[in-house]
Amino acid sequence: DIQMTQSPSTLSASVGDRVTITCRASQSISRWLAWYQQKPGKAPKLLIYKASSLESGVPSRFSGSGSGTEFTLTISSLQPDDFATYYCQQYNSYWTFGQGTKVEIK
Amino acid sequence: QVTLKESGPVLVKPTETLTLTCTVSGFSVNNPRMGVSWIRQPPGKALEWLAHIFSNDEKSYSTSLKNRLTISKDTSKSQVVFTMTNMDPVDTATYYCAGMQGRGFDPWGQGTLVTVSS
Repeated sequence: DIQMTQSPSTLSASVGDRVTITCRASQSISRWLAWYQQKPGKAPKLLIYKASSLESGVPSRFSGSGSGTEFTLTISSLQPDDFATYYCQQYNSYWTFGQGTKVEIK
Repeated sequence: QVTLKESGPVLVKPTETLTLTCTVSGFSVNNPRMGVSWIRQPPGKALEWLAHIFSNDEKSYSTSLKNRLTISKDTSKSQVVFTMTNMDPVDTATYYCAGMQGRGFDPWGQGTLVTVSS
């Protein structure tokens, strides 16, 4: 099975900060990676698919990059609505989620 | 608009079998461009993929749980049915169904919290 490891687990940041979250796969997944945002009590929301494609309606401050085993999610200027937990997920071989990164207010 | 909604018991006893239903609207469960997965999330923990059914009725299961899981669909009712046998308190979680169109899970149902307790 493919394992997904996110870092950091928790990130403290301020409004306006540039934020980067890293996701590593235990083996190559090409670009078959998605990113989700989840707020308390809500279902996850798809932000990015195929490593760098922005889902319709998602603000352009979100971007994704990477291929193979290393991927990043970047928020260029953190907004109040962005404080949430973020998950990466591979869909190269079945489906696996990372353990999540909580972005909290500094 | 494509929507999914989970339904089923909120409380099950240890050793019992959990059966959840995902009712889909806005697309056919036989649509070749859409599959449906079940995903769970224990309180305060990460998401865990459980099972998937493709439009051609092919099924995939989590390696660690495959002996306990079954996924199927009822085309006439536009439903995807999920069962998990031998429930244990560690299986307490919010269970989601979600559509997969080859670009990630979207849309998601609202989720249903299932508690395992005697």
